[in-house]
Amino acid sequence: DGGITQSPKYLFRKEGQNVTLSCEQNLNHDAMYWYRQDPGQGLRLIYYSQIVNDFQKGDIAEGYSVSREKKESFPLTVTSAQKNPTAFYLCASKRREGTDTQYFGPGTRLTVL
Amino acid sequence: QKEVEQNSGPLSVPEGAIASLNCTYSDRGSQSFFWYRQYSGKSPELIMFIYSNGDKEDGRFTAQLNKASQYVSLLIRDSKPSDSATYLCAVNTGFQKLVFGTGTRLLVSP
Repeated sequence: DGGITQSPKYLFRKEGQNVTLSCEQNLNHDAMYWYRQDPGQGLRLIYYSQIVNDFQKGDIAEGYSVSREKKESFPLTVTSAQKNPTAFYLCASKRREGTDTQYFGPGTRLTVL
Repeated sequence: QKEVEQNSGPLSVPEGAIASLNCTYSDRGSQSFFWYRQYSGKSPELIMFIYSNGDKEDGRFTAQLNKASQYVSLLIRDSKPSDSATYLCAVNTGFQKLVFGTGTRLLVSP
């Protein structure tokens, strides 16, 4: 059963803590993406990776970090430097070549207490 | 100027009517265009993509692209209450990235 999984579904963080959001895919996709969505807003790109061991900053990378050690996995760390981290975080993936279609995981809702 | 613009809505249509959702984009070099549907609290799911000028039909959905005017639209025929959702327009402006609009909320009343 192929797809993209994100965990946890809900995450609560105290101010000053780092938290890591998981994203795993078994679609054999090369490229993976992290987006943030705030209420009433569109998706904003945080980081993306087109190949293992390589990633690029998106439009709002400050306060976030990522790694891409395996093709299947692209975890996102929300650091204490991110001043307003409460949001809905979405991971997506796509094949590197051919179609530009991105497919999304179910998302993680992060709330800072 | 925003790269991808959509009317936030809500767009209200009665069941059975045609819903017309519009999106304009600023980058003339954009190559591919996508419509995603997002239910409240859920992640976006792909409805259609279109690469060439003209119409592309898939069931009750038709995507229309006009590159000269820089707009892309989505028509939903025979609208159903289950179509009520936010529809996101996304544009590939190159560099393997999509730029998303803020979405149009559609309400289909029974």
